[in-house]
Amino acid sequence: DVKVTQSSRYLVKRTGEKVFLECVQDMDHENMFWYRQDPGLGLRLIYFSYDVKMKEKGDIPEGYSVSREKKERFSLILESASTNQTSMYLCASLRDSYGYTFGSGTRLTVV
Amino acid sequence: EDQVTQSPEALRLQEGESSSLNCSYTVSGLRGLFWYRQDPGKGPEFLFTLYSAGEEKEKERLKATLTKKESFLHITAPKPEDSATYLCAVRTGGSEKLVFGKGTKLTVNP
Repeated sequence: DVKVTQSSRYLVKRTGEKVFLECVQDMDHENMFWYRQDPGLGLRLIYFSYDVKMKEKGDIPEGYSVSREKKERFSLILESASTNQTSMYLCASLRDSYGYTFGSGTRLTVV
Repeated sequence: EDQVTQSPEALRLQEGESSSLNCSYTVSGLRGLFWYRQDPGKGPEFLFTLYSAGEEKEKERLKATLTKKESFLHITAPKPEDSATYLCAVRTGGSEKLVFGKGTKLTVNP
């Protein structure tokens, strides 16, 4: 079965820390995405990548960056974590007729 | 601008009480409408893809239908384990991105 794996289910970080969220897919998909999900706001696109070393900003890129050095891995970086970045982070890859395949999510708390 | 609106935001049903969730959309060039189920604290899971008006898909107690302006997710004789948030999304034009609605939180009481 196809899989998107996020390295952590829960993370607690301090304000100002640099935070790395890792996502790996085993389907050789070209397109990968990072979303955050907050109550009442739904899913909001942070960044996406359509190929190795290629990236595009989504709707809310401020305070985030991404890295895609290999096709299977797409990393989200919080340069200096702030409390308003406390959220559920979801990674996804595009699988044509299935739309996205999502990872299980990372619940990040910034204190 | 492509938009997806889901209603209601929340729905409470008794076990066995059938109902429908709505997903209305305004897009240019629909390339697919997707339904997902999301359990608390987990990532969304794929349910259905619909491509053209008149299309229907079924899985157990769920049936998804599509018109030119909206999609319905019909739930027949729901059980408590159907409780979840149901998300609708569309893929349009030449984009690889999906546009999501905010979801409908379904609670089925025993």
